[in-house]
Amino acid sequence: EVVLTQSPGTLSLSPGETATLSCRASQSVTDNYLAWYQQKPGQAPRLLIYGSSSRATGIPDRFSGSGSATDFTLTISRLEPEDFAVFYCQQYGGSPFTFGGGTKVEIK
Amino acid sequence: EVQLVETGGGLIQPGGSLRLSCAASGFTVSSNYMSWVRQAPGKGLEWVSVIYRGGSTYYADSVKGRFTISRDNSKNTLYLQMNSLRAEDTAVYYCATDSGYVRFSYWGQGILVTVSS
Repeated sequence: EVVLTQSPGTLSLSPGETATLSCRASQSVTDNYLAWYQQKPGQAPRLLIYGSSSRATGIPDRFSGSGSATDFTLTISRLEPEDFAVFYCQQYGGSPFTFGGGTKVEIK
Repeated sequence: EVQLVETGGGLIQPGGSLRLSCAASGFTVSSNYMSWVRQAPGKGLEWVSVIYRGGSTYYADSVKGRFTISRDNSKNTLYLQMNSLRAEDTAVYYCATDSGYVRFSYWGQGILVTVSS
């Protein structure tokens, strides 16, 4: 099983700043099949990034993903008020299709 | 427009059974990878199960042998039969899908399952 460890647990930032979120895998993620999701309270998650670096439909370009093998990063440039939420990474290279524990990006 | 609507949740006693349904529209369930993902109160996301386009099924170890995923192509609906329920199965259960991979481009609104005496 691929264990995904996200850090930090919480990130306190101001609007306009840049958020850098990390997702580390216990073993190499097959074909870099790594996705990122955003979840706001009371809502279902929303797919942001797939294949480590491809933005999903309708996702603003201030969201970017990078990384390969075991180290992946989600960067949110110029934080907007609506960006504050919990973010999860997920690997879909093979079963079980695991999620990381999440990073909360909160307003400082 | 893709839409997923879950039904069937509620309060159930430990050891009981429940069947969740996910009615899909805007696409064909047999053409997609259809999954269940759950989220315990105040916790993170946990993948539960997937059914592939060809009908193969996979489960998280935490539910293997107790939960069964299936679909009814004629009703364009996904199911999750949950048996031998435990308190730790208490969660919001989401139906989620993508056309080509076990990632989740589309999500339902979620349905709460509470296992308690």
